[in-house]
Amino acid sequence: GENVEQHPSTLSVQEGDSAVIKCTYSDSASNYFPWYKQELGKRPQLIIDIRSNVGEKKDQRIAVTLNKTAKHFSLHITETQPEDSAVYFCAAREAGGTSYGKLTFGQGTILTVHP
Amino acid sequence: NAGVTQTPKFQVLKTGQSMTLQCAQDMNHNSMYWYRQDPGMGLRLIYYSASEGTTDKGEVPNGYNVSRLNKREFSLRLESAAPSQTSVYFCASSVVQDQPQHFGDGTRLSIL
Repeated sequence: GENVEQHPSTLSVQEGDSAVIKCTYSDSASNYFPWYKQELGKRPQLIIDIRSNVGEKKDQRIAVTLNKTAKHFSLHITETQPEDSAVYFCAAREAGGTSYGKLTFGQGTILTVHP
Repeated sequence: NAGVTQTPKFQVLKTGQSMTLQCAQDMNHNSMYWYRQDPGMGLRLIYYSASEGTTDKGEVPNGYNVSRLNKREFSLRLESAAPSQTSVYFCASSVVQDQPQHFGDGTRLSIL
């Protein structure tokens, strides 16, 4: 099955700085990579996603890049704000066979943005 | 439009007791999922239902059963609760399997 590794486990930045979170995956057939933000005590919420036929996707201050050859993808947050503080999870969706559609999540990154 | 609704929000059980967690979605989604979330381990898939009438095991199915009651509802049952099942349980749904998943607010379950 798929295995997703996420780094770093914690990330502390100053307001206005950029933050980068990286994930690697093991199954080269995986074709969909979402990122979720989870505030303390709340549900995970989808913030951006990318499919394997695209190398980069942006949405305002958030961007995701995908390198299929190296099997890694990254979340980039620019001009960070205190409200960006949360746990961020990456995930990869298996594409084939009996595992079709199953999401495998990374272990999460605790992002803290200091005012 | 409530999205994905989970009940109860909190529950405390004793070892060996049984419990059913309820999940309902009002988005006309075909696929539904149950995850557990433990500190430092992200979200792990317990069971999922690609469409009404089908269920499949995920990464950590042992000790759990599921029922896809109809298109809206997908329940998770613990037949004989164990302390290792203390966790936060999230239900999610998606239009079909290859579309984004939307999560409920979670059920915080403690087993003593």
